[in-house]
Amino acid sequence: GQQLNQSPQSMFIQEGEDVSMNCTSSSIFNTWLWYKQDPGEGPVLLIALYKAGELTSNGRLTAQFGITRKDSFLNISASIPSDVGIYFCAGQGYSGGSNYKLTFGKGTLLTVNP
Amino acid sequence: KAGVTQTPRYLIKTRGQQVTLSCSPISGHRSVSWYQQTPGQGLQFLFEYFSETQRNKGNFPGRFSGRQFSNSRSEMNVSTLELGDSALYLCASSPEGQGALRSGANVLTFGAGSRLTVL
Repeated sequence: GQQLNQSPQSMFIQEGEDVSMNCTSSSIFNTWLWYKQDPGEGPVLLIALYKAGELTSNGRLTAQFGITRKDSFLNISASIPSDVGIYFCAGQGYSGGSNYKLTFGKGTLLTVNP
Repeated sequence: KAGVTQTPRYLIKTRGQQVTLSCSPISGHRSVSWYQQTPGQGLQFLFEYFSETQRNKGNFPGRFSGRQFSNSRSEMNVSTLELGDSALYLCASSPEGQGALRSGANVLTFGAGSRLTVL
C-alpha cells in the first residue's frame, strides 16, 4: 500500500517558537489533509489542500500542497501551550481499480514548553 | 449540525469476549471509516463503509468486522478479544467517502473514539 513519511516524529519547543512538519510520499496524491489530535479525543481537521502548489492558512497555521503532489508541509507560527497534541497528515491517493483512499502519516507529537 | 457520535466512550472487557462499538455519522454523510489507534502505531485503517457496502478493508484479522445500516449508522465488532486489541477505536464520517474526488467530499470528520481495554 501507499506509504506516508511524516517527520519529525516528535518536537519539543518553547512557547513563541515557530514549528514546521512535513509529509512525503513516493506516490502522487490528489488531496492533503492536516489534523490535530488532543489527548483522549479524535483528530480534528485543521487544513485541507486540493491543488498542487496550493498554500492555505488557518490562523497561525499554514500548509502547502507540494508542486510534485508527493509532499506537504504544515507550519505553526508563534506556538502557544494549547498547540500541544499530535498532528497527522493524510493524503488521498490511488489504491487500485477505480479506488482512491486516504493514507495517514504516523503523526508528529508536539510539546510546547510555556 | 451534530458531529460524529461514538458509543460507548470507554469499556473494559476480558480476553475471549467480544465487543460491539457504535458510530453515528454526521447527518447526510454516507461513508463511515473505522481506525484503530495504539501508542506509537498511528491510525491503522480497519474498513470503510459506503451505502451499507464495505468499500475498503485494512490488514486486520477476520475477528474484526463491521456493518453499516440504511441510516448510515455503523457498528464494528471484535470477537475473541486479545490483549493487543486494547486501543482507541475511532470512527470517521465523510460526505462521499475516502475515494471521492470532489473537493471536500472526501474529508473525514472523526468522533471522540471508544477506548477499549482488554484485561
